[in-house]
This record gives sequence, C-alpha cells and structure tokens, in this order.
Amino acid sequence: AQKITQTQPGMFVQEKEAVTLDCTYDTSDPSYGLFWYKQPSSGEMIFLIYQGSYDQQNATEGRYSLNFQKARKSANLVISASQLGDSAMYFCAMREGQHNQGGKLIFGQGTELSVKP
Amino acid sequence: DGGITQSPKYLFRKEGQNVTLSCEQNLNHDAMYWYRQDPGQGLRLIYYSQIVNDFQKGDIAEGYSVSREKKESFPLTVTSAQKNPTAFYLCASSQGAGRRSGNTIYFGEGSWLTVV
Repeated sequence: AQKITQTQPGMFVQEKEAVTLDCTYDTSDPSYGLFWYKQPSSGEMIFLIYQGSYDQQNATEGRYSLNFQKARKSANLVISASQLGDSAMYFCAMREGQHNQGGKLIFGQGTELSVKP
Repeated sequence: DGGITQSPKYLFRKEGQNVTLSCEQNLNHDAMYWYRQDPGQGLRLIYYSQIVNDFQKGDIAEGYSVSREKKESFPLTVTSAQKNPTAFYLCASSQGAGRRSGNTIYFGEGSWLTVV
C-alpha cells in the first residue's frame, strides 16, 4: 500500500503568489515524522521543513509552512510569496517510529513546481 | 565545511562490472542511508546503517552491497547482479535512527550511474 501520496505531478504558480503542495500519508504508528524536501535540477535533496506527529503547532520555516491535519492524515506544504528559484521537484516523506525500521524515510512520487514570472 | 560528500558525481559502468560509490560525512552522524532515484520518481531505500559494523537491507537491496567499517564512511557497491543499475544514487545521514522521529536526514549531492 502507498504510504505517501502526492496527487499533483505538476503545479504552476505565479511569482509572488502562494502555493500549496498536497501530501497524504498512511501509518498505524502513533509516532512518526513528516518531512518536505526540495530537489532542484542539480539533483541535490534540500531539507525544507519537519513536522512531528505529537507537535501541537504547525511547523514553519521562513516562507515554508506545513498545514498538518492529523485526523485527515495530510501534511500539505505551503510556500508563500513564490520566487523563480522555487521551481523544482518537491518530495513529501515520512519516518515511522517503529524500532525495527530504523528511522528510514519513505518518499512520495513528488510534485514538480514551476514558478512563472 | 560540514556535510556529506559523494563521489564520483558521474560514473559509467560496463556490463558485468562492479562499481563502488563513495559516501563520506563529517557531521558525526550515527545513521547513514543509500537511496536510488529513477527519472521522475521518488526515492527508494537500498541499504541503511544505524551504527558502525551494522547495516540493514532496504526495499531494493538486491544487486547491491555496503559496508560500514567507519562511522564517517558508507560505500555502496553496485554489483553485476543488479540488472538495471542506471539511476541517480543519493547518500544520506542523520544524527540517529530509531524511535525518535525528529532526526532530520540530510543528503549528499548524488551520483549519476550509467551503464554503457
């Protein structure tokens, strides 16, 4: 079964506008973490933001915020004031807390974001 | 500068050859990982190691081998048994692995492997 689902293969946004990238997840473990990474065309994976399953507040990091809806099992990334440099692939990932899984990250298929000038 | 260094950036392999991708980190991280990425796809876990001299198979370990003789190094060997090795390979590390979900995983810049 798919653990991380990103339903938007591609997204367009106008420069300076906000955009939401969707991510839903599936786990039975009460302890887990959710991550968003950015992958520009150069290939490196850049960590953006983290949300723990027990965190009371939604995570924010500069222009990035995570809209965490635990009951709906969604962890959408919101990018405010989009910039041309935000054009990249974005991956949602989950790390389950089960001891024998050793903290590995499970990735979604990604969303390609294009920012228009 | 602290970080994760992968080498080489680009590698070409002939059919039937084994090749080794290097991954070194100076972050003093306990856990290290190898992921494979195919074009337009997400990342899939090949192997991971939580501590020196110990490692576990990920979801697609067949045709790959690793070693963890030193904390800072986690080389990946792509063997001739891997039938479709052409892909982008990413090495990663984190402070620790296990029940604490807050340990962010950081990635190297990746290595492109092409079979010729």
